[in-house]
Amino acid sequence: AQSVTQPDIHITVSEGASLELRCNYSYGATPYLFWYVQSPGQGLQLLLKYFSGDTLVQGIKGFEAEFKRSQSSFNLRKPSVHWSDAAEYFCAVGLNQAGTALIFGKGTTLSVSS
Amino acid sequence: DAGVIQSPRHEVTEMGQEVTLRCKPISGHNSLFWYRQTMMRGLELLIYFNNNVPIDDSGMPEDRFSAKMPNASFSTLKIQPSEPRDSAVYFCASSNLAGSYEQYFGPGTRLTVT
Repeated sequence: AQSVTQPDIHITVSEGASLELRCNYSYGATPYLFWYVQSPGQGLQLLLKYFSGDTLVQGIKGFEAEFKRSQSSFNLRKPSVHWSDAAEYFCAVGLNQAGTALIFGKGTTLSVSS
Repeated sequence: DAGVIQSPRHEVTEMGQEVTLRCKPISGHNSLFWYRQTMMRGLELLIYFNNNVPIDDSGMPEDRFSAKMPNASFSTLKIQPSEPRDSAVYFCASSNLAGSYEQYFGPGTRLTVT
């Protein structure tokens, strides 16, 4: 069965520092991969997605993620964190088939210190 | 586009009462998903529909939960009778079967059962 692991429950980063959030997945084939962000009291917003092709994908708000098949990973990165990036981040995996549900990780809460 | 619309945004009810949550997907989307989010269990898929037909309801916790999608623009999630352990944030999301599979989330309904 497919699964998603986000090893870090909570991360604190200084404003202006770089960020990397980890995501590992379990799936027999190449999955569709997503990162979502949830601000307090809000729904989930899509940051970026990977379906195929270039393994480094760019998203909104200056985020990027790299798909590494050998490591079954899809880590999210940002070179310089802003205070407004404080939120909860979810990695998700989907089957490469339309109309199927996504499986979400437990999420990583990002705090930004000044 | 107005995005996914959910109502009510907040619901407080007493144990034993019936609760109905409502969702209007993005126009043109033909997949609809209901999720529940709690601190303990994270984001869980409850049920999803393709073209108004329920595809997988294995995540529905008990017979007290039911969901319907009478047409392409409306879905309900009903809990009867409600219990305190049903307290959570319930999200609706929609996607396009012919699109790129990402799901768009509504703002959620925060349910409190006392």
